[in-house]
Amino acid sequence: EAGVAQSPRYKIIEKRQSVAFWCNPISGHATLYWYQQILGQGPKLLIQFQNNGVVDDSQLPKDRFSAERLKGVDSTLKIQPAKLEDSAVYLCASSLYGGATDTQYFGPGTRLTVL
Amino acid sequence: AQRVTQPEKLLSVFKGAPVELKCNYSYSGSPELFWYVQYSRQRLQLLLRHISRESIKGFTADLNKGETSFHLKKPFAQEEDSAMYYCAFSTGAGSYQLTFGKGTKLSVIP
Repeated sequence: EAGVAQSPRYKIIEKRQSVAFWCNPISGHATLYWYQQILGQGPKLLIQFQNNGVVDDSQLPKDRFSAERLKGVDSTLKIQPAKLEDSAVYLCASSLYGGATDTQYFGPGTRLTVL
Repeated sequence: AQRVTQPEKLLSVFKGAPVELKCNYSYSGSPELFWYVQYSRQRLQLLLRHISRESIKGFTADLNKGETSFHLKKPFAQEEDSAMYYCAFSTGAGSYQLTFGKGTKLSVIP
């Protein structure tokens, strides 16, 4: 089966600019996750969708980050405006139903550099 | 606060030697525990989960609730085991979000 797809793979922007990331989950997966992984850290959940509804966005900096999952399939994560500390790898993952023991399948990530 | 601690950033072992990657968690309830692995130039992927009580690629992990630990072990390390290993847990309630540790880089010396 095709895995989780993400684009772009790399992005370099200047601070205060805007950027958007796209994710296409595995077909049939109801749950979609966006993680931020700063160098030297483990992934940190930013937002979790169940179909097209938000389940958890408690760690999403809502003053600058937004995400949507229209039609319960693809998702976009946007940062506006970007700060230097947003430099990180942004990982998208999906799982079948989002349960406690559900396996999460990760995409290749988008490496963002903010100058 | 819910937290996962992996005390070693880097662990180097010789091929054929035993491996133990340490993981401790901080949570008062009964978590679901996982080990994820990222090989060079590959995606982060599930290695094993506590609930399955399985052995994957020779690795096992035992949950010790008294010590709040979920250490990953393998009796004989192979070169292909070199990778970044992340311990993670889910509280099993609400959003079931995964909390990851900072990871341990395992380097197996030939």
